[in-house]
Amino acid sequence: QSVLTQPPSVSAAPGQKVTISCSGSSSNIENNYVSWYQQLPGSAPKLLIYDNDERPSGIPDRFSASKSGTSATLDITGLQTGDEADYYCGTWDNRLRTVFGGGTKLTVL
Amino acid sequence: QVQLQESGPGLVKPSEALSLTCSVAGDSINRGGSFWNWIRQHPGRGLEWIGNIYIDGRSDYNPSLKSRVIISLDTSQNQVSLRLSSVTAADTAVYYCAREKSRRAEAGTVRRWFDSWGQGTLVTVSS
Repeated sequence: QSVLTQPPSVSAAPGQKVTISCSGSSSNIENNYVSWYQQLPGSAPKLLIYDNDERPSGIPDRFSASKSGTSATLDITGLQTGDEADYYCGTWDNRLRTVFGGGTKLTVL
Repeated sequence: QVQLQESGPGLVKPSEALSLTCSVAGDSINRGGSFWNWIRQHPGRGLEWIGNIYIDGRSDYNPSLKSRVIISLDTSQNQVSLRLSSVTAADTAVYYCAREKSRRAEAGTVRRWFDSWGQGTLVTVSS
């Protein structure tokens, strides 16, 4: 059971928008920065978002994120079939150190 | 462009120690500024942070694994190593090496992220 709670799955049609939530607490998300990772099938995770809402170079602006209080969200607009992947949030927990969400499987219908 | 490559035995017997090496190319672990991490993923499951180490020798571990884990650096080979002792079937997982970056943050706030990952290596614990 993960310290950070994500929905197990989300789905949407190509071209649509999807939102993935990441819920934590005052000991993790509320007082630390959040990052997001994309894991394509059979591949290693890849950094998608850091510093709550910053995109590394090469990540399209279809991917955006925000943080408010004890929760963070990842938005993906203009969905493409190539976006089908598992998505993980991550942050620091004052007791447990680095923690990840349980992951959300995105299906593009 | 930094590249990380994990290597080590794919099969380990129960009660023995698991040892993996991460070879780093495109960055020097001597340079500082990065934490070097091990993260694992049980089959079909999410990510679990194992621990990390900094060039000055400071290491930090997942409390649930701390008693069994040692992470070390070999600066001459530019490698990061993981040793996990007394393994059981529950340690069967894909093990990733990852570079972690950080920025100065407000007091009491941690601002870190994993910007580069190795491809991962599957380790099976079985007799």
